[in-house]
Amino acid sequence: AIQMTQSPSSLSASVGDTVTISCRASHDIGNELGWYQQRPGRTPNLLIYAASYLEEGVPSRFSGSGSGTDFTLTISGLQSEDSATYYCLQDSTYPPTFGPGTRVDIK
Amino acid sequence: EVQLVESGGGLVQPGRSLRLSCATSGFTFRDYAIHWVRQNPGKGLEWVAGINWNDVRIEYGDSVKGRFTISRDSANNTLHLQMNNLRVEDTAFYYCVKDKGATISHVFDYWGPGTRVTVSS
Repeated sequence: AIQMTQSPSSLSASVGDTVTISCRASHDIGNELGWYQQRPGRTPNLLIYAASYLEEGVPSRFSGSGSGTDFTLTISGLQSEDSATYYCLQDSTYPPTFGPGTRVDIK
Repeated sequence: EVQLVESGGGLVQPGRSLRLSCATSGFTFRDYAIHWVRQNPGKGLEWVAGINWNDVRIEYGDSVKGRFTISRDSANNTLHLQMNNLRVEDTAFYYCVKDKGATISHVFDYWGPGTRVTVSS
């Protein structure tokens, strides 16, 4: 199975900051990567699919980039409601595998 | 509004069985693939199983293969997960998750609130 890693494992930032989260795949997955947000006590929510496509209804401050093995989720202008854990998911190769998550706290 | 509501979770002893169900509404159930994803409390996410729109393609994660069976009842817009020979490590919240496509794409655009399964003696 393809292994997914994320960095950092956690971060703390202020409202208005730009935050970047990295995700790395153990093998080339093309652009077949999604990003999910999970707020405390809530279910995950799709933000980005196919590495860079914004899901309908997701604020435009979220963006995704990358291909192959290295991917980035950027939050431009962090808001208080963005406090959550963010997971990447590769959907290129069976079985689909999630990264371990990056927790984002608001200072 | 798309809704997925799981049921059937609970406390069960190792080696026993449990059947989860997911009632869906707000979309044409027979037109989409659908999955189960689980999350151990305080831990990460693990895809469990998926079934495409016409039941032709069914997939399982390695940790549940041979023990779990996913099925869909399109007449009642319901997804099921039959879990046999349960293990302590199967303890988790189980989410019913809609795929963005008819065929399995593993892009999960709607999630249910989850049902908790605890396997313990």
